[in-house]
Amino acid sequence: AQSVTQPDIHITVSEGASLELRCNYSYGATPYLFWYVQSPGQGLQLLLKYFSGDTLVQGIKGFEAEFKRSQSSFNLRKPSVHWSDAAEYFCAVTRGAGGFKTIFGAGTRLFVKA
Amino acid sequence: DVKVTQSSRYLVKRTGEKVFLECVQDMDHENMFWYRQDPGLGLRLIYFSYDVKMKEKGDIPEGYSVSREKKERFSLILESASTNQTSMYLCAIRAGTSRGTGELFFGEGSRLTVL
Repeated sequence: AQSVTQPDIHITVSEGASLELRCNYSYGATPYLFWYVQSPGQGLQLLLKYFSGDTLVQGIKGFEAEFKRSQSSFNLRKPSVHWSDAAEYFCAVTRGAGGFKTIFGAGTRLFVKA
Repeated sequence: DVKVTQSSRYLVKRTGEKVFLECVQDMDHENMFWYRQDPGLGLRLIYFSYDVKMKEKGDIPEGYSVSREKKERFSLILESASTNQTSMYLCAIRAGTSRGTGELFFGEGSRLTVL
């Protein structure tokens, strides 16, 4: 069955440090891959997406992600974290005919310390 | 900007009550979705709709039903609420065509507590 795994339930980084959030997917065909962010009390907002082409994609707020087919991974990175990046991050994949269904990982909560 | 509005941010209901959660979009998007979000489980798809009066079950449809009588409105119904339906419910729409980018736009969520 298709699935999305985010191995880290929560991560704490210092402000200014680099960040990498891990995501692995299980899907037979070429997936559409996404990273969303959720600030407390809010809905989800798209950070970036990958469909095809260049495997390194740039998103909003200085985030980037790299698609590695051989590792079935789509890890999210940021070179320098800001306190406002504290939030929950979800990796997602769209599957199914017509791309109707998007399934999400369990999420990784990011804490930023001063 | 795409706007998805969930009319109730917080609800408290009693076991056995019928609950309606409303979601309204301000554009003409065909695809609308209901997810529930629980800690450690991420978002799980309950139902989705790809047109007026069209609906399909997601991964966890048990105990829920939906209604889409108009294109802009997609309702989630709990016929008889139970305590295990206490959760955050998120409505989303898919921008673009059904075989398009797949990007979802979310409402702010409805937090339901069933006592």
